[in-house]
Amino acid sequence: AQSVTQLDSQVPVFEEAPVELRCNYSSSVSVYLFWYVQYPNQGLQLLLKYLSGSTLVKGINGFEAEFNKSQTSFHLRKPSVHISDTAEYFCAVSVWNFNKFYFGSGTKLNVKP
Amino acid sequence: EAQVTQNPRYLITVTGKKLTVTCSQNMNHEYMSWYRQDPGLGLRQIYYSMNVEVTDKGDVPEGYKVSRKEKRNFPLILESPSPNQTSLYFCASRRPGTGDYEQYFGPGTRLTVT
Repeated sequence: AQSVTQLDSQVPVFEEAPVELRCNYSSSVSVYLFWYVQYPNQGLQLLLKYLSGSTLVKGINGFEAEFNKSQTSFHLRKPSVHISDTAEYFCAVSVWNFNKFYFGSGTKLNVKP
Repeated sequence: EAQVTQNPRYLITVTGKKLTVTCSQNMNHEYMSWYRQDPGLGLRQIYYSMNVEVTDKGDVPEGYKVSRKEKRNFPLILESPSPNQTSLYFCASRRPGTGDYEQYFGPGTRLTVT
């Protein structure tokens, strides 16, 4: 079975500071990895995904993530955050047929002025 | 505009009263899925459908039913709701087999069962 762990439930950070949101997964098979963002009272929006190839993946809004197979991690990073990045972020994994998805518990990013 | 719609957006009901939450997408997607979101637990998959008349269980299917009679619609049915089904529900769709594995999410339905 697959599982996803997001180690931080909340991350406070000042505007223009860098941020890293951590995600670790557990799986006995090859996985595909995703980060989603949820703004207040909205559905989820895809930030980026890792399917294969380069382990450094760039997404929308200046976010990037690095797939580390040996550490089973897929941490999300942004070099300089804005107030508008305040949202909840979810890491998710899927396996070979992309029919089943497993989400982490979410990390609330609170960007302060 | 390409979108996934859900109705109702908010629903308060009582234990045991059957209800249906509708989900519709206008992108001609074959794959659709239902999730519930609970604080501290993230999203958990309830059911998914790969195409018309093809559905399968996710991680938390107990107490729910689905049907897929048309490609655009994927209703979620709670035949006898209980308070532990109070949650925020999301429907999602995507087009499999094209390399585009992005799921498009609806706006959510907040359900309260008293």
